[in-house]
Amino acid sequence: GENVEQHPSTLSVQEGDSAVIKCTYSDSASNYFPWYKQELGKRPQLIIDIRSNVGEKKDQRIAVTLNKTAKHFSLHITETQPEDSAVYFCAASFRDYKLSFGAGTTVTVRA
Amino acid sequence: GAVVSQHPSWVICKSGTSVKIECRSLDFQATTMFWYRQFPKQSLMLMATSNEGSKATYEQGVEKDKFLINHASLTLSTLTVTSAHPEDSSFYICSGSGLAGNEQFFGPGTRLTVL
Repeated sequence: GENVEQHPSTLSVQEGDSAVIKCTYSDSASNYFPWYKQELGKRPQLIIDIRSNVGEKKDQRIAVTLNKTAKHFSLHITETQPEDSAVYFCAASFRDYKLSFGAGTTVTVRA
Repeated sequence: GAVVSQHPSWVICKSGTSVKIECRSLDFQATTMFWYRQFPKQSLMLMATSNEGSKATYEQGVEKDKFLINHASLTLSTLTVTSAHPEDSSFYICSGSGLAGNEQFFGPGTRLTVL
């Protein structure tokens, strides 16, 4: 099955700086890569996703890049704000639509 | 976006009792529903996948006789934790998929505490 590794496990950034989270996946057939933000006790919230036919996608302060050859994808958050503090999960899925999640990154934005 | 609800949002039960959690897709037909379990400070772990009208497919290590899943309609799936024990205490989250693409829509989760 798919194995997704996520780094770092914790990330502390100064408000206004950028945050980068990286994930690798094992199954080259995976074709869908979503990123979720989860606040304590709440559901995962989809913040951006990318499909395997695209190398980069951007939505305001959030961007995701995908390198299919190296089997890794990254989340970039620019101009971080205190409300960006949360746990972020990457995931990967294939045709059966099952999502394999990374271990998560706890992001803390220091004011 | 598509909306998924879960009920109850939290439940406390005694060891040995059974608990049923409902997951509903409110504005779309979820041909596939997924059940996850999340322990504190850990990631989401897929427990099982269910398709409407057929038996659920359980992930390795998940006891199908303990975690009963029913997906009787395109808008409702239920998870019953039978003979619950304290180690079953966790955050249970469902998701539905059925719209175009792989996207899953998550419910708000159910916090289960077994005393």
